Amino acid sequence: NAGVTQTPKFRILKIGQSMTLQCTQDMNHNYMYWYRQDPGMGLKLIYYSVGAGITDKGEVPNGYNVSRSTTEDFPLRLELAAPSQTSVYFCASSRTSGSYNEQFFGPGTRLTVL
Amino acid sequence: RKEVEQDPGPFNVPEGATVAFNCTYSNSASQSFFWYRQDCRKEPKLLMSVYSSGNEDGRFTAQLNRASQYISLLIRDSKLSDSATYLCVVFSGGYNKLIFGAGTRLAVHP
Repeated sequence: NAGVTQTPKFRILKIGQSMTLQCTQDMNHNYMYWYRQDPGMGLKLIYYSVGAGITDKGEVPNGYNVSRSTTEDFPLRLELAAPSQTSVYFCASSRTSGSYNEQFFGPGTRLTVL
Repeated sequence: RKEVEQDPGPFNVPEGATVAFNCTYSNSASQSFFWYRQDCRKEPKLLMSVYSSGNEDGRFTAQLNRASQYISLLIRDSKLSDSATYLCVVFSGGYNKLIFGAGTRLAVHP
């Protein structure tokens, strides 16, 4: 049981390049999330999904896209990378949306845009 | 005003010390509260939920004060392994939408 896995661990992009951050969970969780964490700031929700085929915007969705074709996978797409997207990206999942429901995080992807 | 505010620290304490962190939240309708722990360059992990009556888990005690809109975390008998950043997290409804504080850094030294 690997939990939540993310690839790649590190990536350097040039301005204007595109990439997809991969996220997979093997806990059969319906809910999945993408966050970014900037130095000295709390995690900010980018997008979330409540099940396969259903996604919605979080607090900071601009510049990103997501899809959820299966329960397990929730990739995050950056179309035109900008320096403001330099951050650490965490994917998370949870079993339900209940108020005491724990979110499980992946190890993160460190992205630098130059 | 930030939705969830924490003192960033660092709190530098010797082994065996007792240390307490506070966190304030702005939404009086917030429903539930958590402390997550984040080690350097790692992902956050749930440390404990915070219940209205307060709760204890070994050396860790969490308290909630709804009237003043703050939660606290008390760590007794600090260990070197407690060195980490502690994230205050508030759930205010919606699809498990958690609001994360920026964290309080704790450094325990010998």
